[in-house]
Amino acid sequence: GENVEQHPSTLSVQEGDSAVIKCTYSDSASNYFPWYKQELGKGPQLIIDIRSNVGEKKDQRIAVTLNKTAKHFSLHITETQPEDSAVYFCAAINQAGTALIFGKGTTLSVSS
Amino acid sequence: DTEVTQTPKHLVMGMTNKKSLKCEQHMGHRAMYWYKQKAKKPPELMFVYSYEKLSINESVPSRFSPECPNSSLLNLHLHALQPEDSALYLCASSQESGWDKPQHFGDGTRLSIL
Repeated sequence: GENVEQHPSTLSVQEGDSAVIKCTYSDSASNYFPWYKQELGKGPQLIIDIRSNVGEKKDQRIAVTLNKTAKHFSLHITETQPEDSAVYFCAAINQAGTALIFGKGTTLSVSS
Repeated sequence: DTEVTQTPKHLVMGMTNKKSLKCEQHMGHRAMYWYKQKAKKPPELMFVYSYEKLSINESVPSRFSPECPNSSLLNLHLHALQPEDSALYLCASSQESGWDKPQHFGDGTRLSIL
């Protein structure tokens, strides 16, 4: 079945630095890759997503890149701010199209 | 503020109690979901409703009973829960069913079973 591996599990950066979180997926038929941010005491919020016909997507300080050949996709946050501190989850659809599989999450801490 | 509203935010109940969790969205979405999330883990799918009909039940124990009274509301009825059921219960919605449709989550109900 589909497996999504997410690295690193924790990431600490200084304010203003960039942060990169990487996910790999096993099912080559996966075609939709969302990223969620979950702050303490809140539900996951969709921050960006990418589809398999696109290699990169950007929204202000956030970007996602997709490498279909290598079966991995990454979240890039530039000029990090303390309010970026949260748990980030990647996800991918399984081949059968019957489930959204989440990675195990990355806890990002941005210190000022 | 999230556009998916869940009540209550917190719930403490005994193993013999009956309670309900509620979820509401007014975005006109036709698919709604229940997830369970344990601490430091990703959300786990429980149920999916599409056009007010149950389309997916991820082998959830019968002590959890979902209900979709109309296209804006989703309930989760709880009865005879176990301590291991303590978790954050998240509701989500999407414009249509389909895993390539962006899902919008509520902030969840934190449930504690005594």
